[in-house]
Amino acid sequence: GENVEQHPSTLSVQEGDSAVIKCTYSDSASNYFPWYKQELGKGPQLIIDIRSNVGEKKDQRIAVTLNKTAKHFSLHITETQPEDSAVYFCAAPGTTLGRLYFGRGTQLTVWP
Amino acid sequence: DVKVTQSSRYLVKRTGEKVFLECVQDMDHENMFWYRQDPGLGLRLIYFSYDVKMKEKGDIPEGYSVSREKKERFSLILESASTNQTSMYLCASSLQGGSYEQYFGPGTRLTVT
Repeated sequence: GENVEQHPSTLSVQEGDSAVIKCTYSDSASNYFPWYKQELGKGPQLIIDIRSNVGEKKDQRIAVTLNKTAKHFSLHITETQPEDSAVYFCAAPGTTLGRLYFGRGTQLTVWP
Repeated sequence: DVKVTQSSRYLVKRTGEKVFLECVQDMDHENMFWYRQDPGLGLRLIYFSYDVKMKEKGDIPEGYSVSREKKERFSLILESASTNQTSMYLCASSLQGGSYEQYFGPGTRLTVT
């Protein structure tokens, strides 16, 4: 199956700073890369995703970049706010239809 | 909006008990998943199902079984609960076979004493 590694496991930033979370994957055939945000007491929720035919995608303060050659993708959050504090998961599909393989998660804390 | 509900938010069971965790989705999704979430280990797939009465093992199926008698409902069964099954259990669904966007329920925090 796919092997997804995520770093760092914890990240603390000051409000207004940027945060970057990085993931690598092993299966070069993977073509869809989502990011999920899990707030305290809730299930993960999709916040942004990217397909392998583009290198970058933005949605307001969040962006995802993809480097297929190096097999890594990153989540960028600019102008962080306390409500960005959550656990973030990256994922990639494997060869099994419909299945996602998740990274171990990053606990982001934004200090006011 | 897709809604995935789980029968309990918190559950406390004794070692050796049979435990049922229920998940229901309201958007006619074909795919359903059960994950286990532990600190530092992320989301690990226990079982998934593409359709009624179908099931596939994930990465950690030992000690668990599943049942899908109706399309909207996917049950996780712990035949004989053990303390190492104390964890957060998350259910998810997605539209159909090749759909990757998963919608998660709020989770069930299970404690086995």
